[in-house]
Amino acid sequence: AQKITQTQPGMFVQEKEAVTLDCTYDTSDQSYGLFWYKQPSSGEMIFLIYQGSYDEQNATEGRYSLNFQKARKSANLVISASQLGDSAMYFCAMRENAGGTSYGKLTFGQGTILTVHP
Amino acid sequence: GAVVSQHPSWVICKSGTSVKIECRSLDFQATTMFWYRQFPKQSLMLMATSNEGSKATYEQGVEKDKFLINHASLTLSTLTVTSAHPEDSSFYICSARKTGEQFFGPGTRLTVL
Repeated sequence: AQKITQTQPGMFVQEKEAVTLDCTYDTSDQSYGLFWYKQPSSGEMIFLIYQGSYDEQNATEGRYSLNFQKARKSANLVISASQLGDSAMYFCAMRENAGGTSYGKLTFGQGTILTVHP
Repeated sequence: GAVVSQHPSWVICKSGTSVKIECRSLDFQATTMFWYRQFPKQSLMLMATSNEGSKATYEQGVEKDKFLINHASLTLSTLTVTSAHPEDSSFYICSARKTGEQFFGPGTRLTVL
């Protein structure tokens, strides 16, 4: 069974500083996908970044980068130059790549609440 | 684009009544939709996988007679919370799968009095 662990219930960062949100995973699958989502207080799930298990380069999307260390089974999210609008809950998730009716199923971590201070 | 809507965005109902939540993929067809439940400051927990034209696949511990899912068309899945009780109060989020990716709806906040 897949498992995603986010060990930081809450994180604080000063505006314009960088912050790293931790995520470790456990799976016996060779092919899988890792995602980070942002959930502001409105509740919507905002996709941030994706890393495939076979991708050799770390994914980057603007101020977001994913530090993928496959051997350590970690997929940490790095947010550079934090902004006040980055304050939200952040979820790491893993996707099963096996076929069948469960294809595309996501397993989420516990989440990390990020607070950006001015 | 890949837009998913949910209706209603929030609902308050009396204990014992049933509530239907709709999830629509607006600009694509989705053979598979997922329903999640989220309690405050907690993670999203998958309730069931909804496949068009077939029965939903429920996760362990989710009562299928309590949470009825119907995926009658390629753009619409519905979740009906039957005989709702205060403990069913939660944030319900759907997502629709498009070529392996999931696109989330804005969620429905259910409060059962």
